[in-house]
Amino acid sequence: EVQLVESGGGLVQPRTSLRLSCAAFGFNFDDYAMTWVRQAPGKGLDWVSSISGNGGNSGSTHYADSVKGRFTISRDDVKKKVFLQMNRLRAEDTAVYFCAKSPGYRTTYFDSWGQGTLVTVSS
Amino acid sequence: IQMTQSPSSVSASVGDKVTITCRASQDITSSLAWFQQKPGKAPKSLIFAASSLETGVPSRFSGSGSGTHFTLTISSLQPEDFATFFCQQYDSFPFTFGPGTRVDMK
Repeated sequence: EVQLVESGGGLVQPRTSLRLSCAAFGFNFDDYAMTWVRQAPGKGLDWVSSISGNGGNSGSTHYADSVKGRFTISRDDVKKKVFLQMNRLRAEDTAVYFCAKSPGYRTTYFDSWGQGTLVTVSS
Repeated sequence: IQMTQSPSSVSASVGDKVTITCRASQDITSSLAWFQQKPGKAPKSLIFAASSLETGVPSRFSGSGSGTHFTLTISSLQPEDFATFFCQQYDSFPFTFGPGTRVDMK
């Protein structure tokens, strides 16, 4: 059974950093693209960043304009984890951050999701 | 690519047929997915490639459309279906979601 478990969220001050982790279980992690999607309190879903899996342009990354230059996505295929390094955090980054898996090495839609980790940016 | 959904909310009863529309601001061929989300929970994949049902999803859910106009239909609403539904385009980056349609009990 596929399982994704996020960690690393918390309350931080503006302009500081935080690193989120997502541990993957139950599938051959290297072969699949992984994505972070966030949801501000009471709002809709907001795609943040994706990283491709093995095959094609392995490890290629994409970012939403709102986080480009501040956030970095990476993956450790040995540890079966995907990370989101978030720098220069802003109040508008406050959200539940979900880790999600695509059904192949290219990022497409998301067939499995973690339960999310809450990031609160406030002074 | 901007995604819109209508209606933003719908009140319905068990057994009703519910149809939700999603529109893309440009042609996304069939690169569209639908998700269901219940309060405090992660989204759940229902449909991909506009009309393909995810494994394990009941057949009362169906999707149709291509290009810029898509629909999600629940043929006979069940108690466990009350939730918010989102569409998502994956034709090109940045991927975008619709604003959601809340289905609640009449």
